[in-house]
Amino acid sequence: IVMTQSPLSLPVTPGEPASISCRSSQSLLHSNGYNYVDWYLQKPGQSPQLLIYLGSYRASGVPDRFSGSGSGTDFTLQISRVEAEDVGVYYCMEALQTFTFGPGTKVDIK
Amino acid sequence: QVQLQESGPGLVTPSQNLSLTCTVSGTSISSGGYSWSWIRQHPGKGLEWIGYISYTGKTSYNPSLRSRIHMSVDPSNYHFSLRLSSVTAADTALYYCARVGFSSRSGSYSFFDYWGQGTLVTVSS
Repeated sequence: IVMTQSPLSLPVTPGEPASISCRSSQSLLHSNGYNYVDWYLQKPGQSPQLLIYLGSYRASGVPDRFSGSGSGTDFTLQISRVEAEDVGVYYCMEALQTFTFGPGTKVDIK
Repeated sequence: QVQLQESGPGLVTPSQNLSLTCTVSGTSISSGGYSWSWIRQHPGKGLEWIGYISYTGKTSYNPSLRSRIHMSVDPSNYHFSLRLSSVTAADTALYYCARVGFSSRSGSYSFFDYWGQGTLVTVSS
């Protein structure tokens, strides 16, 4: 499975919304009804941290300004109001076959 | 609080084996039936899953690396390990260990919920 993301670079304004798209070469919708896609944020100098799992479920401790949506092959991560601490590289990852990550979207402040 | 810590040599000679250990604290490797994974990040690049091992020793490896990987687990000593054989400069990367999390919603393991800080391995003579 090949994962692609767009844009690869996203300058954002604090307080404004932001959106990242992720597309998979094969459907990530399992027969159990769940989409096996996760979202991670890697802040500068840190390890990646889980934001969203199974397409739309926020991980423990993740602010509710982060949301995930989509099904099949097209997914979106949305930040309702960007904060300065949200800068970093965002990765989507398929968890249906071999845990393949997307190339990453670098988010920084305008 | 679950914590993971990678350890191993920072420098490996080409054609030799790379061996890393991940020490788990805050939980038992065998509790919850979790699996434990290795992921690497080439300098300035994205993330590449290497493989995972369950607490029982069942493994799943990235097909692109399968022929060179061996993972083991030692639940009694709270660690699991990675051995990557015949390394080249292309194996130079930051290596992370991570826990494969379980979702009660889907009844499956499908995300990495705890990560180590990573250990940089350079392959060079």
